[in-house]
Amino acid sequence: ETGVTQSPTHLIKTRGQQVTLRCSSQSGHNTVSWYQQALGQGPQFIFQYYREEENGRGNFPPRFSGLQFPNYSSELNVNALELDDSALYLCASSARTDYEQYFGPGTRLTVT
Amino acid sequence: AQSVTQLGSHVSVSEGALVLLRCNYSSSVPPYLFWYVQYPNQGLQLLLKYTSAATLVKGINGFEAEFKKSETSFHLTKPSAHMSDAAEYFCAVTSYGGSQGNLIFGKGTKLSVKP
Repeated sequence: ETGVTQSPTHLIKTRGQQVTLRCSSQSGHNTVSWYQQALGQGPQFIFQYYREEENGRGNFPPRFSGLQFPNYSSELNVNALELDDSALYLCASSARTDYEQYFGPGTRLTVT
Repeated sequence: AQSVTQLGSHVSVSEGALVLLRCNYSSSVPPYLFWYVQYPNQGLQLLLKYTSAATLVKGINGFEAEFKKSETSFHLTKPSAHMSDAAEYFCAVTSYGGSQGNLIFGKGTKLSVKP
């Protein structure tokens, strides 16, 4: 059974640029959630995708957007990057009826 | 609204000593509660979960937690700390029956284990 994978592992971008982060869900899971973890903080919920539709969103601006594909993999896009967007971005997958979320290793984004 | 408070951002114990990490939650609906562990530069690994069955929950690596509704607590314990337990621990809450299974995390407790 393949776990949740994320790419890239690290990324450095300049303020104002756009970034795309990718996540492959665990086999058999159709729900993907994205979280932002700032340094020294707990993860904060960005949004969740279920069967290719957004299924809930946290307190993040519209420049944070996402996609889910038919194979349940997902992308997180962030436009107009700000310095405060520097964080570890975590993807988690789950089966729809099971609230146990399995996390990937994360993508470390640094905005300079 | 739901929230989680983890008391103590940093806990230090000696190897072989009891580990106690505190978590209090706030929820207007029956909660699902989780403890996750995060090792440096890694993602989160589920230690254990409470989903309204038994109030004493056993997890991996010898950890357990007890759900106490009257105290709105879900403290994590381990009888004997091991050096490999040094990591950051996060308590999280969500609600059953909602359309969104988003987890709400506490700020984390960093556990140090002294030899």
